[in-house]
Formats: sequence, structure tokens, C-alpha cells
Amino acid sequence: GDSVTQMEGPVTLSEEAFLTINCTYTATGYPSLFWYVQYPGEGLQLLLKATKADDKGSNKGFEATYRKETTSFHLEKGSVQVSDSAVYFCALSADQKLVFGQGTRLTINP
Amino acid sequence: EAGVAQSPRYKIIEKRQSVAFWCNPISGHATLYWYQQILGQGPKLLIQFQNNGVVDDSQLPKDRFSAERLKGVDSTLKIQPAKLEDSAVYLCASSSSRDVLFNYGYTFGSGTRLTVV
Repeated sequence: GDSVTQMEGPVTLSEEAFLTINCTYTATGYPSLFWYVQYPGEGLQLLLKATKADDKGSNKGFEATYRKETTSFHLEKGSVQVSDSAVYFCALSADQKLVFGQGTRLTINP
Repeated sequence: EAGVAQSPRYKIIEKRQSVAFWCNPISGHATLYWYQQILGQGPKLLIQFQNNGVVDDSQLPKDRFSAERLKGVDSTLKIQPAKLEDSAVYLCASSSSRDVLFNYGYTFGSGTRLTVV
């Protein structure tokens, strides 16, 4: 079945460091791909999405490119802030349902 | 627009007791989902409604879990009797027909954190 694999956390970085969180997927057909973020005590929020191959999703300085050839959707940010500390989930949409990865906890130290 | 509303935010019960969660989706959203998020894991779909009909409940443990969406708006998820392994955050999400058609994802509520002791 469809699945998503994320790099394991936790990830700890210093403020202004470069961030990459890896995500790969397995799916039949052509899913849409998403990154969701969960701040402490809050629900899941859509961070960015890409609906077809080579699309780049971006929001709040985060970017991810839909790479069909490598079945990947890695999340990147050039300079992280303390406020980016959260759990990040990669997900794909297939048959009207979201399938999530296990999440990556990110902590940014000042 | 108002978001997806869920209540209660927290619930602690003893095993073998029953519990119910409530969800009010975004107005006009035809599709409603319940997800279970166990600590340290990604959310897992329990059930999907389209209006007041069930589209997919293949992952719902039907011996103890039930859900309904009367009148195609609000939804309740019930667990009876609860087990220790049901401790999790229960997330409700909704999406419009357009979001579903174009795979745009959905909007999640803040969730209900259930602790079974």
C-alpha cells in the first residue's frame, strides 16, 4: 500500500542553521504531497503542498520539491528560527485520504 | 472562516469505560475524517464520511469504536469499552469537494487528547 518514510528525529539545530528533513514515498499513481506542522499543544497545520512532479511548494521560508524520479519530497529552510520548533509530518494524498509519515521533531536552540 | 472545532480538549478515563468525542467541521465541507495519533507516530485514518455516509471505515476497530455523522454536519466518535492502547490524540479533519477533487489536503482540528488509565 501507499506509505511515507521520514528521516528519524529528533533533530536539534542552532538558530540560523540550514534545515533538511528527508521524506520519501511509495505510491501507485500520482499522489499529491504535503508537509504538515504541529506546534506544541496545537493541531496539524498545512505548511506546503505540491500536486504534480517538479512542483515546488513553499511557505514561511520552507520549500519542498516533488521529485518523481527519486520519489522524494524533502523539506528545506535556509535559516531556521526558534519559532520553527515543532513536529513536521510528510504526507501523501491518495484515494481522497492522507497517509502520514511518522513525524520528525525539530528543536531550534537560540 | 471558522476552523474545525473539537471537544473536549482532554479526557482521562479508566479502562473499560466509554468516551465520546465531538467534531464540528468547517461550514460547507462535505468530507469529514477521524484520525488517531498515537504518541510518536503519524496520524492514522479511522473513518471517512462523505456527507452523512461512510466512505471508508476499514481501519476502525468496530468491536469498540463507532462513529456517526447525522445530518452530514457534526460528527461523534465513541469508544466503548476503552483499552489502555487507545490512549492517543483523536483528530478530526474536514475538506471541501474541491479540495478532495484536486487533492489539496484538509483542515485539522486541535484534537482531543485521550488518556486511558
